[in-house]
Amino acid sequence: EIVLTQSPGTLSLSPGERATLSCRASQSVSSSYLAWYQQKPGQAPRLLIYGASSRATGIPDRFSGSGSGTDFTLTISRLEPEDFAVYYCQQYGSSSWTFGQGTKVEIK
Amino acid sequence: EVQLVQSGAEVKKPGESLKISCKGSGYSFTSYWIGWVRQMPGKGLEWMGIIYPGDSDTRYSPSFQGQVTISADKSISTAYLQWSSLKASDTAMYYCARLETFEYYFDYWGQGTLVTVSS
Repeated sequence: EIVLTQSPGTLSLSPGERATLSCRASQSVSSSYLAWYQQKPGQAPRLLIYGASSRATGIPDRFSGSGSGTDFTLTISRLEPEDFAVYYCQQYGSSSWTFGQGTKVEIK
Repeated sequence: EVQLVQSGAEVKKPGESLKISCKGSGYSFTSYWIGWVRQMPGKGLEWMGIIYPGDSDTRYSPSFQGQVTISADKSISTAYLQWSSLKASDTAMYYCARLETFEYYFDYWGQGTLVTVSS
């Protein structure tokens, strides 16, 4: 099973700042099968990025994804108040799906 | 509009059985896999298993194999997650989610079903 490790666990930033979230896989992941989700308190997760770098429908362009192999990054170029949330990466491989443990982006 | 609507919150005692549901609408229910994801209180997301309602092909995470049963009734566009004997450690929010066909991400999510197991 591929393990995804996200860092940092918590990111304390101010609105307007840039957020860089990391997702590292225990073995190589196909870029096609790497996604990112946002979850706010009391809500279901929401798809942000799929295929490592493609934005889902309706997702603002301040969100971007990059990476390949074992290292992937979610970048939020300028944080808006509604972006403070928990973010998860997710991969598919060998008929199995795994999520990272999440990164919380909190207001500094 | 694609929607996944889950059944309501449940409070159960240890040892009891439970079946929760996830009804899909706005798309061809038999053409997309439906996954189940657990979120324990204050914790992250865990993939439990997945079913293809078209033929009921089912895959389980090794962590959940034998602990739960996933099924579907395509005649009513509904997927299920069931337990035969609940434990306190099954207390969690459970989400169903539709799997996108080619790149295997979860594009639509249900609102979640909170299951509380307490004596």
